[in-house]
Amino acid sequence: DQQVKQNSPSLSVQEGRISILNCDYTNSMFDYFLWYKKYPAEGPTFLISISSIKDKNEDGRFTVFLNKSAKHLSLHIVPSQPGDSAVYFCAASGFVGNSGYALNFGKGTSLLVTP
Amino acid sequence: DAGITQSPRHKVTETGTPVTLRCHQTENHRYMYWYRQDPGHGLRLIHYSYGVKDTDKGEVSDGYSVSRSKTEDFLLTLESATSSQTSVYFCAISGTSGPEGFRTDTQYFGPGTRLTVL
Repeated sequence: DQQVKQNSPSLSVQEGRISILNCDYTNSMFDYFLWYKKYPAEGPTFLISISSIKDKNEDGRFTVFLNKSAKHLSLHIVPSQPGDSAVYFCAASGFVGNSGYALNFGKGTSLLVTP
Repeated sequence: DAGITQSPRHKVTETGTPVTLRCHQTENHRYMYWYRQDPGHGLRLIHYSYGVKDTDKGEVSDGYSVSRSKTEDFLLTLESATSSQTSVYFCAISGTSGPEGFRTDTQYFGPGTRLTVL
């Protein structure tokens, strides 16, 4: 059962505008959330994260917002650039098995930034 | 970038043959993971390791085994490959050589291995 959901498989945004990628989760035990960016034929690259004790984290053009009551987080990219075109994965951290934390990933959203 | 390499980067094999994928890290990180990525599924955890000789199952572990005899190497083995195991496999690492119980959730990924089972 998918515990992390990205309901938009794709998103197209004009260069210079804001890109908003959304993510929902179902497990209230998740307390650390991450966004990864992935280009074709490469591994996912860590982008930004947020702990559940915060509601916002900013890093340059990237801001992640967390709404714990709604179990929802979003990634804002401002301004969007053509190089931001990639697949973005939302992930939530949960404890697994013996003293380990594993990431639960959404299915990804493919962002296309057009000139 | 984290020092993670995967080998081979591409492999084509036949159903029923054994396959071993290798993940090597130079970061001395405690935790290592194997994921597979398939269209429509995102990344799914196969197995993970929380130390040398310490491994555990993930979400999709059936048909896979792992071994970790050294901190830097984590091997994923398909004992008898099937077509359903055609996928892109990613290794990831997290953590440092810090104190016991230190939580380190951010994972860093290798470049991936594309495996095709005919």
